[in-house]
Amino acid sequence: DVKVTQSSRYLVKRTGEKVFLECVQDMDHENMFWYRQDPGLGLRLIYFSYDVKMKEKGDIPEGYSVSREKKERFSLILESASTNQTSMYLCASSPGTSGSRSYNEQFFGPGTRLTVL
Amino acid sequence: AQKVTQAQTEISVVEKEDVTLDCVYETRDTTYYLFWYKQPPSGELVFLIRRNSFDEQNEISGRYSWNFQKSTSSFNFTITASQVVDSAVYFCALSAPTDSWGKFQFGAGTQVVVTP
Repeated sequence: DVKVTQSSRYLVKRTGEKVFLECVQDMDHENMFWYRQDPGLGLRLIYFSYDVKMKEKGDIPEGYSVSREKKERFSLILESASTNQTSMYLCASSPGTSGSRSYNEQFFGPGTRLTVL
Repeated sequence: AQKVTQAQTEISVVEKEDVTLDCVYETRDTTYYLFWYKQPPSGELVFLIRRNSFDEQNEISGRYSWNFQKSTSSFNFTITASQVVDSAVYFCALSAPTDSWGKFQFGAGTQVVVTP
């Protein structure tokens, strides 16, 4: 079974703190994604990566950055957390051939509920 | 632009009733893929189905069935004889070449509440 794990289920941080959310997948997937989920808005893509050290902005990248130094790990970084970044953060991965499009299903982690005070 | 609309915010049913979730999508691509996911209270999205744009056959899997109508750009999902365990948020998603690298457009989700 594909397993996507996220470092924390719940996280509470203060405004201005630097926050790291970690995601690890164990199925050798090329593609990895970070979403945030807010009521009434569904899932919105923050960043994605289709290969090690490669990243692409999603729909709402402002205030976030990412890092993918190893294939299995994709980190989301909030450089200076703000209260409007309080949300559920979901990581996902999908198989795909590096350098080509992939329409395979995405496999999701359990999510991290981040609260910024 | 790609877009997915799930107009129903919440649907409440009594156990054993059927429930249909609507999904309407917009894309200019002729090749695309549609997905349904379930998000139970635990929070983890669970993949249910993937359908490509060239396969308009309806699909049934146990109590779940999907109706893909290209003419109306809809991909609706029906749960037959609902059970309490079906209580969850259900998301419809679209993936198409205009968006790169397997990027999904998700709908806002429909909360299904099944009471005993």
